[in-house]
Amino acid sequence: GQNIDQPTEMTATEGAIVQINCTYQTSGFNGLFWYQQHAGEAPTFLSYNVLDGLEEKGRFSSFLSRSKGYSYLLLKELQMKDSASYLCAVPHAGNMLTFGGGTRLMVKP
Amino acid sequence: DSGVTQTPKHLITATGQRVTLRCSPRSGDLSVYWYQQSLDQGLQFLIQYYNGEERAKGNILERFSAQQFPDLHSELNLSSLELGDSALYFCASSEGGTGNYEQYFGPGTRLTVT
Repeated sequence: GQNIDQPTEMTATEGAIVQINCTYQTSGFNGLFWYQQHAGEAPTFLSYNVLDGLEEKGRFSSFLSRSKGYSYLLLKELQMKDSASYLCAVPHAGNMLTFGGGTRLMVKP
Repeated sequence: DSGVTQTPKHLITATGQRVTLRCSPRSGDLSVYWYQQSLDQGLQFLIQYYNGEERAKGNILERFSAQQFPDLHSELNLSSLELGDSALYFCASSEGGTGNYEQYFGPGTRLTVT
């Protein structure tokens, strides 16, 4: 089966950098997704990692270590609009996604 | 806007009733997925259809059923509703059925069972 752990909540200051961690245990690994979800809205795709290392995409970067079953999402130059939940998810059995519980990030001025 | 549409946006109904949620995938996407998001359970996969056929099944209750039609839109039917079925129901679509395709989520249907 799949098991995904993320911190429940994090708080950071506008302009700062925050790292959101995700650890996973999965039978067979097919990559890891990060999604952003504002309250009451649909999740939106941020990144997909299948190989080890860091992938940068503007202010957001995502890192993967397959040997450690670990990923993180790095958000730089935080803005108030980054206040949202961040969900990591692993695909299996075709393309069904198992999501972690999500990390609610609050950005304060 | 992801290109995935869902109707209705909100639905309020009573226990024991039956409702149908509708989803139209992005143009060209063959797979449709249904997810349930409640406050205490997070985002849970229910079922996937690919080009009209059931592809994968998650923790979907027997009271729930889904189908995908020839025009690729999908419907999720929820029957004998209970208070605990109150949740946000998301539909997502992707290009393929297997492999790790990015899923695009619709705006969701908020179901309230009273």
